[in-house]
Amino acid sequence: EDKVVQSPLSLVVHEGDTVTLNCSYEVTNFRSLLWYKQEKKAPTFLFMLTSSGIEKKSGRLSSILDKKELSSILNITATQTGDSAIYLCAVGVPAGTALIFGKGTTLSVSS
Amino acid sequence: KAGVTQTPRYLIKTRGQQVTLSCSPISGHRSVSWYQQTPGQGLQFLFEYFSETQRNKGNFPGRFSGRQFSNSRSEMNVSTLELGDSALYLCASSLGVGNEAFFGQGTRLTVV
Repeated sequence: EDKVVQSPLSLVVHEGDTVTLNCSYEVTNFRSLLWYKQEKKAPTFLFMLTSSGIEKKSGRLSSILDKKELSSILNITATQTGDSAIYLCAVGVPAGTALIFGKGTTLSVSS
Repeated sequence: KAGVTQTPRYLIKTRGQQVTLSCSPISGHRSVSWYQQTPGQGLQFLFEYFSETQRNKGNFPGRFSGRQFSNSRSEMNVSTLELGDSALYLCASSLGVGNEAFFGQGTRLTVV
């Protein structure tokens, strides 16, 4: 059965800290790994990774995929209180657009 | 460009009733997926539709069903509601395989 595991489950940091969120997966026929940020209801798309070793960046956020280790990390530098959210990692099923999600990492950034 | 629209936003139903939720995808998106989110289980995949056909299905009982119309709008139905069906139901649309999925605001269903 396909599985996505995120760690840690929750994290509390101070503004300005750098955080690293982890995602590991066990899926048949890996196609893509996606990161989402969920603040209230709708998860918002952050990154989609398909190739190993290529870093995707957007402002203070970056992510990279390691296909050999079946994992990905999401880095957030110089955290702000607005980064407080649940960060979700998901992998795409082989045939289709459905996603298998991990339980998420709840990040709390205090000022 | 309008995002994914889900209606209604909130619902309160009694055990044993049935409910229908609606999802209008982003214009041009033909793939729609449904997810159930609960505090204990996180986001779980229900089913995926593409061009009016169910393409993938998650591990949910037959009480959960869905369909997609020719304009790509989708509905999901839950019959014989149970207390455990209380959850946030999220819909996501995508251009297709290899593309990211965009989520709607969800429908919060409470079963009493």
